[in-house]
Amino acid sequence: DAGVIQSPRHEVTEMGQEVTLRCKPISGHDYLFWYRQTMMRGLELLIYFNNNVPIDDSGMPEDRFSAKMPNASFSTLKIQPSEPRDSAVYFCASSWGQGTPNYGYTFGSGTRLTVV
Amino acid sequence: QKEVEQNSGPLSVPEGAIASLNCTYSDRGSQSFFWYRQYSGKSPELIMFIYSNGDKEDGRFTAQLNKASQYVSLLIRDSQPSDSATYLCAGRRSGTYKYIFGTGTRLKVLA
Repeated sequence: DAGVIQSPRHEVTEMGQEVTLRCKPISGHDYLFWYRQTMMRGLELLIYFNNNVPIDDSGMPEDRFSAKMPNASFSTLKIQPSEPRDSAVYFCASSWGQGTPNYGYTFGSGTRLTVV
Repeated sequence: QKEVEQNSGPLSVPEGAIASLNCTYSDRGSQSFFWYRQYSGKSPELIMFIYSNGDKEDGRFTAQLNKASQYVSLLIRDSQPSDSATYLCAGRRSGTYKYIFGTGTRLKVLA
């Protein structure tokens, strides 16, 4: 099992540019989550999907953020246009629901985004 | 009030001692709770989960849940320097699959 795979590991971009973060969940997991982590705010849930369908995007900070999951093995988080305050580590996580989700998440290695 | 609260620390304990990490939550309907360990520059990794009142033991780790007091704790026995990390508490918001994380407690185990 390769775990949750995120790319790129690091991204440095200029303010105003479009940024796309990618995630491949663990095969068989039916939930996928995007989190953002900063020193000040900790881990914040941005959006989560169940069976490729967005269930709750109330954590997406602004319209500049969008996320898609076109199939069970791939998801993207896009920021357009990017701003310096978007600088953070973005984590993707996946889990297996099956009615009583006491299994917790498996996190990817994260993408460290720096917007200059 | 934050939904899941933790003392940011750092909590310093000598090697071999018991480290006690605490977490409180505000959503009375929360059913499942998780402890994650995060080393600097790494992603969180799951240590334990608990959903019943009482204690749950796994090796050197014991998770405790008190739903009446809305309190979750993690005890680490025989602490080792390799346990030095940030420990994140998370609760599943009632009626959802959303897991809300505390900001974490930094633990330092002194050799």
